[in-house]
Amino acid sequence: DTAVSQTPKYLVTQMGNDKSIKCEQNLGHDTMYWYKQDSKKFLKIMFSYNNKELIINETVPNRFSPKSPDKAHLNLHINSLELGDSAVYFCASSQATQLHFGNGTRLTVT
Amino acid sequence: QKEVEQNSGPLSVPEGAIASLNCTYSDRGSQSFFWYRQYSGKSPELIMSIYSNGDKEDGRFTAQLNKASQYVSLLIRDSQPSDSATYLCAASVSGNTPLVFGKGTRLSVIA
Repeated sequence: DTAVSQTPKYLVTQMGNDKSIKCEQNLGHDTMYWYKQDSKKFLKIMFSYNNKELIINETVPNRFSPKSPDKAHLNLHINSLELGDSAVYFCASSQATQLHFGNGTRLTVT
Repeated sequence: QKEVEQNSGPLSVPEGAIASLNCTYSDRGSQSFFWYRQYSGKSPELIMSIYSNGDKEDGRFTAQLNKASQYVSLLIRDSQPSDSATYLCAASVSGNTPLVFGKGTRLSVIA
């Protein structure tokens, strides 16, 4: 009965490839997010969706395209992967301000 | 630019001591403040939230907020080796805005 689940847990791929990360929450929350955490542990907001609608896009390259088919799902597709995309990507959901995080996807681009 | 600042540490304290973690924020409109704990390789987990000036206690944890000084702190009493982790401070203006996180303070509790 995991609250926020994301897959895959690990993703290793080569530069130039396209990959997707999936996220699902069963908490009934209206808002979902993607955060990126770099090697220095800095957690930075990428996107925020409320009820399937994009409300925040924080200066993320357009190689990153989020998609929310319904309010329980928020997927992240990344085109033309670059070395600098290597990080841990966390999906999260909230009803107010308190965030509930998924377990993270560690992306390594070689 | 909304920023949350933390000393990256590492902060080392002996077992049983009080660990004091500090955080400042730049956006005076911030209303909600959170402390998350993150163990290595794991996701952040919420340990404290605070919304009004003063102290809020929960077990061994006390969060302190001073909006005039734009300062939030977390005290951990009777520190245990299991408290060793990175502590992330976060702030939000309202329920519709995402949390802005600091870069985290790494705490090491020495047995």
